[in-house]
Amino acid sequence: DQQVKQNSPSLSVQEGRISILNCDYTNSMFDYFLWYKKYPAEGPTFLISISSIKDKNEDGRFTVFLNKSAKHLSLHIVPSQPGDSAVYFCAASVEGRGDDKIIFGKGTRLHILP
Amino acid sequence: NAGVMQNPRHLVRRRGQEARLRCSPMKGHSHVYWYRQLPEEGLKFMVYLQKENIIDESGMPKERFSAEFPKEGPSILRIQQVVRGDSAAYFCASSPRARGTGNTIYFGEGSWLTVV
Repeated sequence: DQQVKQNSPSLSVQEGRISILNCDYTNSMFDYFLWYKKYPAEGPTFLISISSIKDKNEDGRFTVFLNKSAKHLSLHIVPSQPGDSAVYFCAASVEGRGDDKIIFGKGTRLHILP
Repeated sequence: NAGVMQNPRHLVRRRGQEARLRCSPMKGHSHVYWYRQLPEEGLKFMVYLQKENIIDESGMPKERFSAEFPKEGPSILRIQQVVRGDSAAYFCASSPRARGTGNTIYFGEGSWLTVV
C-alpha cells in the first residue's frame, strides 16, 4: 500500500528553468512533509519540509507547496542548476502521534540539461 | 559536528552468513531509523528505535532480521543467514525528537550489502 506516491520516475529540465516535482499521499493523518535529495552512492540529504498548518514554505531556490484538500504537494526549484541532478524523495509522517515513522515515495530522478 | 555514521560502507557476505550493520546517530539524537533501498526502488522503512526500546518494527521482515539500540554504543541492524535478495543499500537516520518542530531525520551515507 503506497501511502506516498511520486508518479513521475524521471523528469528532464533545461538549466535555468523551473523544476516541479510532484507528490501525492493517501493518508489524511499525515501532517508533516519533507523532501530529500539523493546522489548515487550517498545518503539522502534533507532539503525542505512543511507542516500541514502551512501551504507554502520557501528556502532559497526551493519552495514546497501543500494542497491538503487534494492531498498533493510539490517541490519547485528555480532556477534549476546542474548540481540539482539527483533523485528527489517526498516523505510524510504523522507528527503529533509521537511514535510516527516517516514514509517515503519511490523518488523522481531529475536531469538538468545544459 | 559529526553526522550520522554508518559502517561498514560496503559489506560482502556469502549466502548463509550473518551481516551486521552499525549506526551511530548524530550527537544529541536519541532516535534511530533504519531504511532499505533495493535496486531501482525507493526507501522502505524497516524499524524505528529509541535507546533500549523498539518503537516500531512494522517494516522488518519477520525472520532473520533484528535491530537494537543499546544504552551504550551504536544501533545495530543484524541480518542472519543472508540470501541474495538481501542485497541492498541500508540507510540509517537519526532525529532529536524535538516535539513541535517537525520530525526531520538526518541520514548517514549508507551501508551497501552484497550477498554472493
